[in-house]
Formats: sequence, C-alpha cells, structure tokens
Amino acid sequence: DAGVTQSPTHLIKTRGQHVTLRCSPISGHKSVSWYQQVLGQGPQFIFQYYEKEERGRGNFPDRFSARQFPNYSSELNVNALLLGDSALYLCASSLAGTAISYEQYFGPGTRLTVT
Amino acid sequence: AQSVTQPDIHITVSEGASLELRCNYSYGATPYLFWYVQSPGQGLQLLLKYFSGDTLVQGIKGFEAEFKRSQSSFNLRKPSVHWSDAAEYFCAVGAKNSGGSNYKLTFGKGTLLTVNP
Repeated sequence: DAGVTQSPTHLIKTRGQHVTLRCSPISGHKSVSWYQQVLGQGPQFIFQYYEKEERGRGNFPDRFSARQFPNYSSELNVNALLLGDSALYLCASSLAGTAISYEQYFGPGTRLTVT
Repeated sequence: AQSVTQPDIHITVSEGASLELRCNYSYGATPYLFWYVQSPGQGLQLLLKYFSGDTLVQGIKGFEAEFKRSQSSFNLRKPSVHWSDAAEYFCAVGAKNSGGSNYKLTFGKGTLLTVNP
C-alpha cells in the first residue's frame, strides 16, 4: 500500500504570494494533520482534520488555512507568505484522530522556501 | 500546556557503542509518549510508543525506551549503534487538542545523532 504522499516536493515562493500544499493520506485513513518544521526545530502542529471537519488548530495566524476533501485528501493554504514561513511542511494521516492509539503516519514533506 | 525537552542537540557515538538519548516531558495528565526518527529528506518514522503498562517499551530497529514518571523522562536507548542509525531523533507527547477530543503531537527540538566508523 502507498504511504502518505505530499506534493510538491519542493517549492520556492516570493514574499506576499500564496501557496497550496497537498496531501493524500493512506487508504482508509480519515484523519489528516499538518505540521510545520522549521530548520533545527521539531515539528509544530498546525491543523487536524477528521471526516472533513477541523478538529484542532495550533498557534498559527489566520493566514494559514486548510481543508479536507470527500476522498480525505487535504490542502494546506498559506496566504501573504513571510520569510519565516520557510519550512518543511509535514502531513500525517491516521485512521482517526479520536484516540491516541491511532498512530500517525508521516509523509516526506514539502520543502517551502520563501524569498 | 504540554512540552517536551531534549537536552542534547547533537550526540556523536562510535559504531558499536551504546546510545542513550534523553527526553523530558511536561504534561498534566497521563502522558502518551513517542520517539520518531527522521533521516535527511524524509518524513518521520515511529520507533516506539508508550501508552500504559510496562514502563520499558521495545521498538523497531533494536531501540527501547523507559518511562520514568518520577523523573518525567522517556529516554531512548540502543545497546549497539549501527552506522545506519545516524539521523535526527524526536521525542513527542500526545495530547488532546484544546477544547476537542482529537489528539495532536507536541515534539521536542530533536537530537542529531552522528555515528563514527
């Protein structure tokens, strides 16, 4: 079975632009979470979606938004990009988000560079 | 709010030597603890997890970790390190999203492991 896939792999954007990152969860998984990993830091939680509804949001500005589609894939959108948004964006899928026993499987990430 | 501290930013060991990576957590309730490994250019892979029960947990690739509630620690160990273990290691605590019933992971800043031949 395919693991979590993310696209694109790498992306270079200019300050002020908008970006959309995509994630396809493992087949059968209904929960998708997004994390931001700045160089030299651990991943930080951005959003969690389960059954197409937002179930959690981290401490990120409103420039960050996300959605989940009927096929459980997800998009992360970032508006008005800042240099500080440069990071590796990780997507994780799990069967559900309602129990910690549902392991989160991570994708390879999208490396975003803002110039 | 929960937090995770990994005191060692970078550790260097010789191949065949033993390894211990430290992790301390802060969480008001029963902690759910994880160790992940990240190789360059790759996502995170789960090494092991602790939910309850036996405080010594076994994981993949010969790793184990011991939960010590009195010390708020969950240190990762391996008796004999292989060159392929060189990577970055992250400790994480699982906690409910604020106001919700779903869970998120809070990570430490990671420990970079270098293995000398």
